[in-house]
Amino acid sequence: DAGVIQSPRHEVTEMGQEVTLRCKPISGHDYLFWYRQTMMRGLELLIYFNNNVPIDDSGMPEDRFSAKMPNASFSTLKIQPSEPRDSAVYFCASSGIGGQGEQFFGPGTRLTVL
Amino acid sequence: AQSVTQPDIHITVSEGASLELRCNYSYGATPYLFWYVQSPGQGLQLLLKYFSGDTLVQGIKGFEAEFKRSQSSFNLRKPSVHWSDAAEYFCATTSGTYKYIFGTGTRLKVLA
Repeated sequence: DAGVIQSPRHEVTEMGQEVTLRCKPISGHDYLFWYRQTMMRGLELLIYFNNNVPIDDSGMPEDRFSAKMPNASFSTLKIQPSEPRDSAVYFCASSGIGGQGEQFFGPGTRLTVL
Repeated sequence: AQSVTQPDIHITVSEGASLELRCNYSYGATPYLFWYVQSPGQGLQLLLKYFSGDTLVQGIKGFEAEFKRSQSSFNLRKPSVHWSDAAEYFCATTSGTYKYIFGTGTRLKVLA
């Protein structure tokens, strides 16, 4: 299995632009998580899905952030409009029932907003 | 509320020396506990996990961790550190849901 796939790996954009991050979870996994990692705040859970349905989005910082999971093999995290303080590494992770809670992380997308 | 504390932000050890990274959790019942490692520019990789049973857990890459309920701890150990172990280590917990609570991480530096 290829593991969790994220694209792009790096994104540089200007303030005010829309940014879309993509994630393909491991096949058969029915939980998907979006995290943000910064030096100041560490790893933060933004949102997670179960069977493509958002379960907990309490970590989404504000309305500029939105996430979707249109099917079991694809999810997006969108920031519109982006701001410099959104600069971070964004990780996607997936997990399956029977995995005893283990989450498998993708390599991350490093976002820089100028 | 559940929480995880990693008291050491940075640790430096010499190659071949033993290692212990501390993790304390706060939760009334028996938590699910995990240790993850993050190499530079990479995602997180699971080293080991504890749910119940034997309190000494063996993981990958020669790591082990011991669950001590009396001390609310789940410390990570390795008897002999290799230069390739230099990375950031995260302790995490969950109450049985899929929502992790991560510690702030401990960055390990290994001296040749």
